[in-house]
Amino acid sequence: EAQVTQNPRYLITVTGKKLTVTCSQNMNHEYMSWYRQDPGLGLRQIYYSMNVEVTDKGDVPEGYKVSRKEKRNFPLILESPSPNQTSLYFCASSLSSGHMGYTFGSGTRLTVV
Amino acid sequence: AQSVTQLDSHVSVSEGTPVLLRCNYSSSYSPSLFWYVQHPNKGLQLLLKYTSAATLVKGINGFEAEFKKSETSFHLTKPSAHMSDAAEYFCVVIDSSYKLIFGSGTRLLVRP
Repeated sequence: EAQVTQNPRYLITVTGKKLTVTCSQNMNHEYMSWYRQDPGLGLRQIYYSMNVEVTDKGDVPEGYKVSRKEKRNFPLILESPSPNQTSLYFCASSLSSGHMGYTFGSGTRLTVV
Repeated sequence: AQSVTQLDSHVSVSEGTPVLLRCNYSSSYSPSLFWYVQHPNKGLQLLLKYTSAATLVKGINGFEAEFKKSETSFHLTKPSAHMSDAAEYFCVVIDSSYKLIFGSGTRLLVRP
């Protein structure tokens, strides 16, 4: 089944403890990106990647890192999480420019205390 | 810059009646537009997409949308609402750097 898989689905962590949210797609998509969803602010792009070893900042990149060493994986790294990073995170992927639509993962609900 | 405006934050309909969720867009060129649905505690699912082919686009679960350039609109419709349609719906446009620009969302409530 074609899908984007995120792990974990739920995570509670403490301020400052490094964490990684994994994202993997099995559709050979070039384009991958991370979004966060917050009440009243909607969905905002954090980082995106147009292909292996090519990443760039989105609208809200502060406090996050990404890497794209393989085409299928695009992990989101929080080096020192803070409470303002408590949010619902989505990974998405698409072919080339995305004009045929993105496939989203099921989301990761992160709470930083 | 591309943007989308969803005109209603909440829409309430009775089961079996038509659904209309409104979206206006702003774009300096012919846009690619999408509707996504998010059920509670679920991810985002693509309902349908417009990519400059037919102006009337059919999607999954009986939904369709019509692209009207003169009105800069891309409203989502369904002839008959089902209880399972209750969810949040997002109108989305792609910008020049392939980023998705989301509308603020419309929460659809379906009354029995």
